[in-house]
Amino acid sequence: KQEVTQIPAALSVPEGENLVLNCSFTDSAIYNLQWFRQDPGKGLTSLLLIQSSQREQTSGRLNASLDKSSGRSTLYIAASQPGDSATYLCAVPSSGTYKYIFGTGTRLKVLA
Amino acid sequence: GAVVSQHPSRVICKSGTSVKIECRSLDFQATTMFWYRQFPKQSLMLMATSNEGSKATYEQGVEKDKFLINHASLTLSTLTVTSAHPEDSSFYICSAHLAGGPDTQYFGPGTRLTVL
Repeated sequence: KQEVTQIPAALSVPEGENLVLNCSFTDSAIYNLQWFRQDPGKGLTSLLLIQSSQREQTSGRLNASLDKSSGRSTLYIAASQPGDSATYLCAVPSSGTYKYIFGTGTRLKVLA
Repeated sequence: GAVVSQHPSRVICKSGTSVKIECRSLDFQATTMFWYRQFPKQSLMLMATSNEGSKATYEQGVEKDKFLINHASLTLSTLTVTSAHPEDSSFYICSAHLAGGPDTQYFGPGTRLTVL
């Protein structure tokens, strides 16, 4: 059974810092991994989708890496801004299905 | 492209009433839609998989008679919370898988349900 864990659960940093969010999963037989952002009381915004054949994806100040063999993914945020404050979720499909299993999330707060 | 909408965005109802939430894929066809529930300060938990033209598949612990799902067309799935109680208050989010598209899901904006 796929389980997804995110560390840290919460993070507070001053503006301008580079930071790394971690996601680990127990079943490495995945075909993709996706990172989402969720603002309080809102739905999900897809940030990056990494296919199983890829090692990383970049979008602006965001870079996500994937190491299937070790069951890990990281989301790197460069030059953090107060507008980056949100909860970041990673999700992987449950084995052999399209059902997404979500991580516990990292609540990020970037201080001005 | 690949936009998913939900209606209503927010609903408040009295205990014992039924509430219907719609999930629509606006510009694509979705043979499969998913319904998730998110309690405060918790992550999303999959409730059920909705397949167009067939019965929904529910996750363990989710009551199918309480959470009725209908996927009548390739662009619409509905979730009806029957005889709602305060413990059903939650954030309900749907997602849709693009038929023949990449292996990803497109998420709706969510519906906040408050049962008094």
